[in-house]
Amino acid sequence: EAGVTQFPSHSVIEKGQTVTLRCDPISGHDNLYWYRRVMGKEIKFLLHFVKESKQDESGMPNNRFLAERTGGTYSTLKVQPAELEDSGVYFCASSRLRGPQETQYFGPGTRLLVL
Amino acid sequence: AQSVTQLDSQVPVFEEAPVELRCNYSSSVSVYLFWYVQYPNQGLQLLLKYLSGSTLVKGINGFEAEFNKSQTSFHLRKPSVHISDTAEYFCAVSEYDNFNKFYFGSGTKLNVKP
Repeated sequence: EAGVTQFPSHSVIEKGQTVTLRCDPISGHDNLYWYRRVMGKEIKFLLHFVKESKQDESGMPNNRFLAERTGGTYSTLKVQPAELEDSGVYFCASSRLRGPQETQYFGPGTRLLVL
Repeated sequence: AQSVTQLDSQVPVFEEAPVELRCNYSSSVSVYLFWYVQYPNQGLQLLLKYLSGSTLVKGINGFEAEFNKSQTSFHLRKPSVHISDTAEYFCAVSEYDNFNKFYFGSGTKLNVKP
């Protein structure tokens, strides 16, 4: 079974540009999560999809961030326009069901650097 | 809001020595507790979790953790580490009524030396 995959693995862009990150969850996993780790600090929750619906987007930092999950399969996270403070590692995770007994499986992350 | 503190950003240890990685949390509600490990160039992998029951939880790769409610701690231990345990370790909590939202600590890099 393939794990959670993320693309690209690295991205270097200039301030003001747009970047789109993609996450492919494990097949059959309805729950998809985005997290971000900035400057080696704690990993912070961004949002949670159940299928194509946003269940919780309380962690989205501002309206420059747009997450979508059309069709309930892969998800994209767009940052437009990117700012310096958006640099960090963006993780995606997925789980089959909701509930604490369900493990969240994480992808390797996308390392974003905004210059 | 939750907060998770991992007091040690880096822990160097010699192979076959014991290790303890510390994790403390602050919360006004009941929580679930997790430890994840990230090996280089890989995603985070669940080591163990505490949901209820026995406060001593055993996980993969010989790791265990003990939930101490009075001290709001969930320290990770291994009696004898291997070179392959070199990785970054993250402690996380989630609330009973919002269990899908994880709050992570800032991570502890474990460096096992020969």
